[in-house]
Amino acid sequence: EAQVTQNPRYLITVTGKKLTVTCSQNMNHEYMSWYRQDPGLGLRQIYYSMNVEVTDKGDVPEGYKVSRKEKRNFPLILESPSPNQTSLYFCASRILDTQYFGPGTRLTVL
Amino acid sequence: EDQVTQSPEALRLQEGESSSLNCSYTVSGLRGLFWYRQDPGKGPEFLFTLYSAGEEKEKERLKATLTKKESFLHITAPKPEDSATYLCAVLSDSNYQLIWGAGTKLIIKP
Repeated sequence: EAQVTQNPRYLITVTGKKLTVTCSQNMNHEYMSWYRQDPGLGLRQIYYSMNVEVTDKGDVPEGYKVSRKEKRNFPLILESPSPNQTSLYFCASRILDTQYFGPGTRLTVL
Repeated sequence: EDQVTQSPEALRLQEGESSSLNCSYTVSGLRGLFWYRQDPGKGPEFLFTLYSAGEEKEKERLKATLTKKESFLHITAPKPEDSATYLCAVLSDSNYQLIWGAGTKLIIKP
């Protein structure tokens, strides 16, 4: 089944404790991205990647890192999480103009 | 500045009561307009892509239309299972990144 997977689905952590959210797609898409979604603010892009080893900042990149060493994986790294990074995170991959989203990761930073 | 505005923010309808959701956009050159459906706690699910004014797409009880300034998502005789948040996004010729609206939360009462 064609899909985008994310792990973990739910995460509660404390301020300053480094964490990684994994994202993987099995559709061989070149383009992948990360979004955060907050009530009233809609989807905001954090980082995107046009292809392996090519990443670029989206609208809200501060406090996040990404890497793209393989086409299928695009992990999101929070080196020192803070409470304002509490949010619902989505990974997505894209073919032509159509984007496919993962199921989401709900992150709470205490 | 490229911008997408959706209205209303929320819409409550009785089962069978048809209505429309609006997506107004301002972009330098429209490459495509997209409609997604999002259920609570899940990733957005692709519905339609529209590329040029006058274009229409249909899927079950949903019909999307496009003009040079806005798009409508018409819902005919909705059922409770149509309840969701509907998101609109645009892709401009000058920017490869999607610009998202804040969404319309649709509630269909039985």
